[in-house]
Amino acid sequence: GAVVSQHPSWVICKSGTSVKIECRSLDFQATTMFWYRQFPKQSLMLMATSNEGSKATYEQGVEKDKFLINHASLTLSTLTVTSAHPEDSSFYICSAGLLNTGELFFGEGSRLTVL
Amino acid sequence: GQQLNQSPQSMFIQEGEDVSMNCTSSSIFNTWLWYKQDPGEGPVLLIALYKAGELTSNGRLTAQFGITRKDSFLNISASIPSDVGIYFCAGPSSGTYKYIFGTGTRLKVLA
Repeated sequence: GAVVSQHPSWVICKSGTSVKIECRSLDFQATTMFWYRQFPKQSLMLMATSNEGSKATYEQGVEKDKFLINHASLTLSTLTVTSAHPEDSSFYICSAGLLNTGELFFGEGSRLTVL
Repeated sequence: GQQLNQSPQSMFIQEGEDVSMNCTSSSIFNTWLWYKQDPGEGPVLLIALYKAGELTSNGRLTAQFGITRKDSFLNISASIPSDVGIYFCAGPSSGTYKYIFGTGTRLKVLA
């Protein structure tokens, strides 16, 4: 299967700072990547769709100014949590798919803790 | 919006037992994906289904795409301790490549 990698796997930051999470497709090119958020003991919730070379599209209720997404190349998408607050603490997971098969592959996830 | 409901929500089984779980939707799906997630990690794709009635196996795992296209089933045979985790179904939201996830089934295996 295709490999998607995230970095960092965990990060702790102070309230008010910004945090950047990277998502890379290692062995395929991804024009579209997806960012999910997962709270403890809950399912994955789609936050936004990252589109290479164009603006990301956000799901209802997700603040685009809070969660900045940049998809500058066919193998890299970044999610920046701006002015992080404790309620932003969560597990953030990116994914990328193979359009010809519809299979969706996930990164390892990044656990953000905002103090 | 579209929702995927999984049952059971959780289950405790003895090692060696077979497991069955399902995923249902109020609307039709054209693709079903089944994932396993271990604590603190991203989901790992187990099986992908593309056609109504399709039955696909991956080792001890077997998944079926329901005939109505509104449900899917995952079976695990002869469970082992490493089968512990949360199993999610997922399908593309109508007309998009955006996948929505089911509520999850938490499996615990007692040795």
